[in-house]
Amino acid sequence: QVQLLQSGAEVRKPGASVKVSCKTSGYTFTDYAIQWVRQAPGQRLEWMGWITTATGDTRYSRDFQGRLTIMTDTSASTAYMELSSLRSEDTAMYYCARGVEEIVLMVDSYYYYYYMDVWGKGTTVTISS
Amino acid sequence: QSVLTQPPSAPGTPGQSVTISCSGSSSNIGSHDVYWFQQLPGTAPKLLIYKNHQRPSGVPDRFSGSKSGTSASLAISALRSEDEADYSCAAWDVSLSVWVFGGGTKVTVL
Repeated sequence: QVQLLQSGAEVRKPGASVKVSCKTSGYTFTDYAIQWVRQAPGQRLEWMGWITTATGDTRYSRDFQGRLTIMTDTSASTAYMELSSLRSEDTAMYYCARGVEEIVLMVDSYYYYYYMDVWGKGTTVTISS
Repeated sequence: QSVLTQPPSAPGTPGQSVTISCSGSSSNIGSHDVYWFQQLPGTAPKLLIYKNHQRPSGVPDRFSGSKSGTSASLAISALRSEDEADYSCAAWDVSLSVWVFGGGTKVTVL
């Protein structure tokens, strides 16, 4: 069955970086995108960005622009999320999720996005001095 | 970020029905499909409803979704103790180019 296995909990100091992995199995890696969503304690889910695994194209939320990098190792069916310049507000559970493409047709063009159908169990990232 | 609005709690008794609302705007729910996620205590979100009313394989038909204009609803019928969880709605926001989520509704089975 489809599985997304995330790396273990991380503790970092403010200003440092963290890299979380998401190893997939049970499907063809490049047929779906990978998205990253985080949830701070007691807060709502917050979308961070996605990567189109077939092309390596990425889209990031403006809230993380400049600090977030999503990448893949296609040979290992694994995606990574790296967040830099960490601050206390980045303390959260970080989830990867498989992305299913949705195409929205307009009058003379189209755009696409991905929805999240299968999620990893999450990785706790704690920022503490 | 723009957000979707949900009630914080929705209590019910076994066998009853509960309905959770999700209010958005023209740039998210008004122009895109709505998705619902179930989060059992201490676990990751699980896709419960996609494209407004579709159920993934394995989701009981006690769960149903609907959408009208800039609002959506999730209904749970024949409530069971194992339905105790947080339920969040989500939609793509074309103006912000982000996914927006509701704050979650905690369903409690009394």
